[in-house]
Amino acid sequence: GIQVEQSPPDLILQEGANSTLRCNFSDSVNNLQWFHQNPWGQLINLFYIPSGTKQNGRLSATTVATERYSLLYISSSQTTDSGVYFCAVRFGNEKLTFGTGTRLTIIP
Amino acid sequence: NAGVTQTPKFQVLKTGQSMTLQCAQDMNHNSMYWYRQDPGMGLRLIYYSASEGTTDKGEVPNGYNVSRLNKREFSLRLESAAPSQTSVYFCASSGTSAEAFFGQGTRLTVV
Repeated sequence: GIQVEQSPPDLILQEGANSTLRCNFSDSVNNLQWFHQNPWGQLINLFYIPSGTKQNGRLSATTVATERYSLLYISSSQTTDSGVYFCAVRFGNEKLTFGTGTRLTIIP
Repeated sequence: NAGVTQTPKFQVLKTGQSMTLQCAQDMNHNSMYWYRQDPGMGLRLIYYSASEGTTDKGEVPNGYNVSRLNKREFSLRLESAAPSQTSVYFCASSGTSAEAFFGQGTRLTVV
């Protein structure tokens, strides 16, 4: 099955800093999503981005499907950005496979 | 528009007891999924259903059964709960766009 690796596993930043989270996957995919799991455990959809670039406020994401990676950018971090960020990928009708996540901690 | 609704939100079971976790979606999605998330880990797929009337095993199906009751509902049953099944369970659904949406989770403790 598809392997999904995320880096870094942990990231601690001061409020206001920028960050880049990476997701590498081992095979071609036609579905890639980024989720934020907040401290209460809710999984929040950030981006559905099988290819290309999208932006939503301070967050943006880029997927280069031919090179099998995706990047999530967070600018001007706020404490509410803390939590775990997951990417998840799927090829065709196969299962949605999750990476192990990046735990982001924003310090005031 | 509630999206994906899971019940219950919390449950404590004794070893050997059985229970069913319920999931319903109102987005007319064909595909539905059950995942478990153990502390500090990502989500692992238990079972999924690509369409009404079909179910398939995921990574960790042992100890679980599922029923795709209709297009809206997908239930997960633990026949004889074990402490190793203590986890947070998430239900999800996806439609033709393939974007998946998750419920709020069920926190299950087996003592």
